[in-house]
Amino acid sequence: AQSVTQLDSQVPVFEEAPVELRCNYSSSVSVYLFWYVQYPNQGLQLLLKYLSGSTLVKGINGFEAEFNKSQTSFHLRKPSVHISDTAEYFCAVRSNTGGFKTIFGAGTRLFVKA
Amino acid sequence: GAGVSQSPRYKVAKRGQDVALRCDPISGHVSLFWYQQALGQGPEFLTYFQNEAQLDKSGLPSDRFFAERPEGSVSTLKIQRTQQEDSAVYLCASSMDRGQETQYFGPGTRLLVL
Repeated sequence: AQSVTQLDSQVPVFEEAPVELRCNYSSSVSVYLFWYVQYPNQGLQLLLKYLSGSTLVKGINGFEAEFNKSQTSFHLRKPSVHISDTAEYFCAVRSNTGGFKTIFGAGTRLFVKA
Repeated sequence: GAGVSQSPRYKVAKRGQDVALRCDPISGHVSLFWYQQALGQGPEFLTYFQNEAQLDKSGLPSDRFFAERPEGSVSTLKIQRTQQEDSAVYLCASSMDRGQETQYFGPGTRLLVL
């Protein structure tokens, strides 16, 4: 079984500042890792995913995340945020050994202030 | 192209009423998922279809919940004898292949049971 912990429920940050949204996971098997973003009144949209290979993954809208197997973490980062990045961000994990379930964290609300 | 659509977008039901929620996946997508998202939480897996076959229904919370995808395209999630704890947003997602790596989400159906 897998589980996901997003360590911050809310992250307020000023525009053009860097941000890191933290995600830790637990799993007894190897996993795929994902970050999704949910804008108000919209469906979830994939930001980036780690399947294998390079542990630094780049996604859309200038976001990137680094897979750290020893620390079982997959933190999301952006060097300079915009007002339009205000949204809910979800970290998710799925077994890469054939399972169908994707397990989501509770989400982190990123609020970018002018 | 058209994304995943869901209907209705909002549903108010009286406790004990049956409801049916519809999902139209992206054309040609093999995999289809249903999730339940409670207020302030991440999506929780309900069930998974590969074409018309329901391969995993382990997340359905009770036998009042039933899902089908008879022709391998449109799917319906049915909730019988709704209870107040069923109030949530129900999300549908589809994926192109059996690898399911990238899921495309619909906007969700917000169900309120009074």
